[in-house]
Amino acid sequence: EADIYQTPRYLVIGTGKKITLECSQTMGHDKMYWYQQDPGMELHLIHYSYGVNSTEKGDLSSESTVSRIRTEHFPLTLESARPSHTSQYLCASGLAGGVTDTQYFGPGTRLTVL
Amino acid sequence: GNSVTQMEGPVTLSEEAFLTINCTYTATGYPSLFWYVQYPGEGLQLLLKATKADDKGSNKGFEATYRKETTSFHLEKGSVQVSDSAVYFCALSEYTGKLIFGQGTTLQVKP
Repeated sequence: EADIYQTPRYLVIGTGKKITLECSQTMGHDKMYWYQQDPGMELHLIHYSYGVNSTEKGDLSSESTVSRIRTEHFPLTLESARPSHTSQYLCASGLAGGVTDTQYFGPGTRLTVL
Repeated sequence: GNSVTQMEGPVTLSEEAFLTINCTYTATGYPSLFWYVQYPGEGLQLLLKATKADDKGSNKGFEATYRKETTSFHLEKGSVQVSDSAVYFCALSEYTGKLIFGQGTTLQVKP
């Protein structure tokens, strides 16, 4: 069973606030990912990291930023939340292998910006 | 580029019915293929995977076979239960380990 955690699970916040979504994993995985899931359920990769001090933007442009100072921790920050940021955010991790990698997902954070 | 296409939902079945969710892919090279399941209010869970042509992945009564000749990875289950109601995602992995997901198929099983 995968050990990957996200907090908070639900967040309702006003426009203009700064927020940080937390993601931690205890599996020692080098690769970590952030996905945004829209109401139609499609998943879009917004950020990924292949190890400490490595971060890359994903396929979907996002105003959020990420950092990777420790292997186990991959937080996502929105400097100024807007209603368009309302979505479900899923964090995942995987081994630094290749095409046979399995990604393990956290439970998600459902963000609502009023 | 690489892509995954799933049959549109929702798929509505009665309990004990046979399930097929179609998935086809376009890819260069030799990707691995995955099925993930998402229950309401939760993240994605790996259901099964196959890493090369003709491999069959199976778990919890679900099966899918990696068919390179038809570029398909259809999900099947012989007898669905109400507890199988969820959203199912087909995905392929690129050589970097990044996943390309299909759009998801919602399954509703009625008692």
